Amino acid sequence: AQSVSQHNHHVILSEAASLELGCNYSYGGTVNLFWYVQYPGQHLQLLLKYFSGDPLVKGIKGFEAEFIKSKFSFNLRKPSVQWSDTAEYFCAVKRPGGKLIFGQGTELSVKP
Amino acid sequence: DSGVTQTPKHLITATGQRVTLRCSPRSGDLSVYWYQQSLDQGLQFLIQYYNGEERAKGNILERFSAQQFPDLHSELNLSSLELGDSALYFCASSPTPSGGNEQFFGPGTRLTVL
Repeated sequence: AQSVSQHNHHVILSEAASLELGCNYSYGGTVNLFWYVQYPGQHLQLLLKYFSGDPLVKGIKGFEAEFIKSKFSFNLRKPSVQWSDTAEYFCAVKRPGGKLIFGQGTELSVKP
Repeated sequence: DSGVTQTPKHLITATGQRVTLRCSPRSGDLSVYWYQQSLDQGLQFLIQYYNGEERAKGNILERFSAQQFPDLHSELNLSSLELGDSALYFCASSPTPSGGNEQFFGPGTRLTVL
């Protein structure tokens, strides 16, 4: 079945460690890709998006993601995480009509 | 603050009951999307409305229904509630029927069915 997969369910890092969260999707053709973040008790916020062009996308708060078409991947990275990055991260693909199909989410815990 | 509002913030009810969740989109946005976030199913698309018309349906149960009113606010009606309906229900809005560059999410309504 067509889907979005996030490899890591829960990631625990110390402050200043580098982060990479994996996301793979199984939809063919042109895809619009997103990473959303959900801080504890808050709503989903957009971190970054890829529609076309440069496959390396920069988002807010120092996050970036790389679209690799041949691998159907859109991995999220941050060189140095902070305690305030503790949150749940969701990868999503936009389907025709606009609905978002989300991955299962990755919970990131950053230890001070 | 995304500009999308949802009420109520929390809702506790009993099995078999019916509830209505309300969403007001960002000013100017014509599309409203409803999503359900539960521990076992994750974040799932339920239904989309654009300018009062239903546009797309996802994994929405027959016991659930929605509508979008002329003032563009939307309501999600959940009936014959079961324990498994306990979840966080989000709505999101965008200006266009195709979702645009981004969907803006509301704070969610946490439904607990006892």
